Amino acid sequence: GESVGLHLPTLSVQEGDNSIINCAYSNSASDYFIWYKQESGKGPQFIIDIRSNMDKRQGQRVTVLLNKTVKHLSLQIAATQPGDSAVYFCAESRDDKIIFGKGTRLHILP
Amino acid sequence: EAQVTQNPRYLITVTGKKLTVTCSQNMNHEYMSWYRQDPGLGLRQIYYSMNVEVTDKGDVPEGYKVSRKEKRNFPLILESPSPNQTSLYFCASSFLNTGELFFGEGSRLTVL
Repeated sequence: GESVGLHLPTLSVQEGDNSIINCAYSNSASDYFIWYKQESGKGPQFIIDIRSNMDKRQGQRVTVLLNKTVKHLSLQIAATQPGDSAVYFCAESRDDKIIFGKGTRLHILP
Repeated sequence: EAQVTQNPRYLITVTGKKLTVTCSQNMNHEYMSWYRQDPGLGLRQIYYSMNVEVTDKGDVPEGYKVSRKEKRNFPLILESPSPNQTSLYFCASSFLNTGELFFGEGSRLTVL
C-alpha cells in the first residue's frame, strides 16, 4: 500500500518567497528518499535525494530535510521563481521499487 | 543526448486489441521501470527490471506484461487492453542503487 504521501495537493506561493513542500512516510525502515519535479506535459525530473544517515541535504536553491523521529521530509525551494511551477513528488526507495506519493502542485503567484 | 524514448506518444485503441509501448534508453542503465499516472493517484509502478532477463511486478501489474531481452529496451505489452488501462504511461531508467530515475516523455493511451 501507500507508504509515502504529501500533506497538501496544492500550494500557492508568492514569487520570491520560499516554498516548503511536505511529505510523510509510514515505514520506519525506509532509508532513501527522493524528490522529483514534473512540469506540465513532461516526465518527472530528479531534484535531490537523501539517505537516512543524513537529516539535511542542500542543492542549488533546494534543501531537503529528513526527520526520522516523526517520519517526515520536506523540500524547501529558496526564492521561488515562475519556472518552479510544477507538481512535486516525494518518493521512497524500498525493496528495489521506487514508490511515489501523490504529488503537490506548486502555484507561483506574481 | 542521454534520453529515454517511448513510442507511441499518443494512442487511441479499442478494447481487446493487443498493443505494445516501446521504451529505449541510451545510458547503459541496469534498472528500468514502467509507471502509470492517473489523476489523484500519482505515479504507480507497473513492472520493473534490474537487468537483462530479470523482471518483477510493481504495485499494479495486472493486465500488463514486460520483457527485457536487451539492456536498452523494456517494452510494455497490453495483451487485451481494457478501458481502465486508459492512462498516461512513463518509462524510466537508472543505474542500480540510486533513486535518480530518468523518465521518458510519456505515452498517453486511450482504450475505448
